[in-house]
Amino acid sequence: EVQLVESGGGLVQAGRSLRLSCAASGFNFGDYAMYWVRQRPGKGLEWVSGITWNTGIIRYADSVKGRFTISRDNVKSFLYLQMDSLRTEDTAFYYCVKDRTSMIMPTTLDYWGQGTLVTVSS
Amino acid sequence: QSVLTQPPSASGTPGQRVTISCSGGTSNIGHNTVSWYQQVPGTAPKLLIYNSNQRPSGVPDRFSGSTSGTSASLVISGLQSEDEADYYCAAWDDSLNGRGLFGGGTKLTVL
Repeated sequence: EVQLVESGGGLVQAGRSLRLSCAASGFNFGDYAMYWVRQRPGKGLEWVSGITWNTGIIRYADSVKGRFTISRDNVKSFLYLQMDSLRTEDTAFYYCVKDRTSMIMPTTLDYWGQGTLVTVSS
Repeated sequence: QSVLTQPPSASGTPGQRVTISCSGGTSNIGHNTVSWYQQVPGTAPKLLIYNSNQRPSGVPDRFSGSTSGTSASLVISGLQSEDEADYYCAAWDDSLNGRGLFGGGTKLTVL
């Protein structure tokens, strides 16, 4: 059974940093592209970042480019999101998501974690 | 404002057929396949349709997808009460060095 378990969320002041982690199990993590998708409370889904199976291609949403860094450890089966210079508008649930394939194009998100809440205070 | 445009709401009665649209452009739907997701409030989203018209195993055949030009549609036939949820389209966008996009979401109410 595919499982994606996020951790690292919490309350942080604007301007500070936070690192999210996602522990993956139940599939061969190194074979698949992975993503972070966020959802502000009561709002829609927002694609944040994607990384191919071998980190050969990484892309970010304009809203986080230059502040967030996605990475992965295929040996440990972990996905990460380093979030720097956090803003109040980054407050959201952050989901770790698996792709059906090894590539991030086209985006096909077949398994989702339960999400971790990041709250950025002013 | 999302680059992929969905109606904010839709509704239908049990047994009816409902269509949810997703309008984009030549750099996204016009050039790449579309996926659709269902999200029941308080839970994580679930993949319904990928490659514009393919269903993952376990998704009922009441759900179908299609594309035409720069628009996509999700059709739910034989509407059921448990279909009440938020629905999102998604596609890759080739502009700005490439990025993923979601539509703004459509809240489906089963009357």
